[in-house]
Amino acid sequence: ETGVTQSPTHLIKTRGQQVTLRCSSQSGHNTVSWYQQALGQGPQFIFQYYREEENGRGNFPPRFSGLQFPNYSSELNVNALELDDSALYLCASSSTDVSPLHFGNGTRLTVT
Amino acid sequence: GQQVMQIPQYQHVQEGEDFTTYCNSSTTLSNIQWYKQRPGGHPVFLIQLVKSGEVKKQKRLTFQFGEAKKNSSLHITATQTTDVGTYFCAGSYNRKLIWGLGTSLAVNP
Repeated sequence: ETGVTQSPTHLIKTRGQQVTLRCSSQSGHNTVSWYQQALGQGPQFIFQYYREEENGRGNFPPRFSGLQFPNYSSELNVNALELDDSALYLCASSSTDVSPLHFGNGTRLTVT
Repeated sequence: GQQVMQIPQYQHVQEGEDFTTYCNSSTTLSNIQWYKQRPGGHPVFLIQLVKSGEVKKQKRLTFQFGEAKKNSSLHITATQTTDVGTYFCAGSYNRKLIWGLGTSLAVNP
C-alpha cells in the first residue's frame, strides 16, 4: 500500500507567478483534501475533491484552484502568487469526506 | 460559524509528568479525530472517536469524547521526549472537518 506522495518538496517562486503542486493519493482513497499551513499555525482547509468534483472549499480566493484526475491524484494551482502564500501545502487522502486523513509530507512554497 | 477551541496553546512539561489537551466545540460533532505533528513533519492521524462518552487508549495516550459529543480530551501519562509535537483535534460537523489550533507540547528531559 503506497502512501500519499507530494511533489515537489520545496519550491521558490516570485510574487505574481503561478504554481502547480501535485499529489498522489493513497491506494483505495478517492477523496483528496488540500491544506495550507503557515509556520506555527494549524492546517487551513483549502478545498476537497471527491471523484473529480470539488466537494467543499475553505475561505480561500478563486486564484486557488484544483483538479482531481480519474486515478484520484490531484493538483493545486495558485495564480498571482502573493508573499502571504508562503507556507507548507499539505495534501491528504481519505476514503470518505470525513474519514481520517492521511497526509503527504507537504510542499514547502516560498514566495519572494 | 462552527468552531473548535483547543487549550492550552502551549504546554511545557518535565519528562515523566502528565499532559492533557482539551477540545471544545460550539456544536455537536459527528466524530472527532486527533492528529500529531512532529516539528518539521506533517500531521499524523492518531485516533477517531465516534460514540458519546467513548474512551480509547493507545499505550500511554487516553482519548475521551464527551457525553454531549461537544468536547474531547487527549491525556498522555508519563510524557517522554518522543511525545514532543503539536496535537490537533478535528471535529466532524455537517460532513466537514473543523480543526482546532493545536496544543504544542515541549518535554524537558
